[in-house]
Amino acid sequence: NAGVTQTPKFRVLKTGQSMTLLCAQDMNHEYMYWYRQDPGMGLRLIHYSVGEGTTAKGEVPDGYNVSRLKKQNFLLGLESAAPSQTSVYFCASRRNLDRGTEAFFGQGTRLTVV
Amino acid sequence: SQQGEEDPQALSIQEGENATMNCSYKTSINNLQWYRQNSGRGLVHLILIRSNEREKHSGRLRVTLDTSKKSSSLLITASRAADTASYFCATDEQSGNTPLVFGKGTRLSVIA
Repeated sequence: NAGVTQTPKFRVLKTGQSMTLLCAQDMNHEYMYWYRQDPGMGLRLIHYSVGEGTTAKGEVPDGYNVSRLKKQNFLLGLESAAPSQTSVYFCASRRNLDRGTEAFFGQGTRLTVV
Repeated sequence: SQQGEEDPQALSIQEGENATMNCSYKTSINNLQWYRQNSGRGLVHLILIRSNEREKHSGRLRVTLDTSKKSSSLLITASRAADTASYFCATDEQSGNTPLVFGKGTRLSVIA
């Protein structure tokens, strides 16, 4: 049982390049989230999904797109990377909201845009 | 905007002392959770307290919730150097299918 796995762990991009971050969970969770973490800012929600085929915007969605074609995978895309997107990205998943459930996090992807 | 706001931003204590962190939030919630993050790692869930609960314990952790003041506190008793980490509160709002919203965290340093 791997939990939540993020790929890649590290990446350096040039401004204007594109990339996709992959998040995979093996717990059959309904909800999946993408956060970014910057120094002094805590975790800010980029996009989230409440089920296969559905996505929604979070607090800081601009410059990112997501897809949830399969229940176990949640992809985060950067179409044209900018230095402001240099950050650590975390994916999380949780079962559902019934009576509150804990979120499980991946180990993060450290992205640098130069 | 972020829901939770932890206080203090940073806390440094000696091993064996107790550490108290506070979290304030803005809207009505279903539950509040505390997470821990070791440097360079993902977050790990510590404890969840529901809106109809006032206090909860788990090992050396004690969490309180005051919904009238929209605040929660996390107490770590008899702290250890291994407790050094950042601690975040997160809330599930009552409005429905809302995502888990995190605060900015408290950075705890426990000095041996």
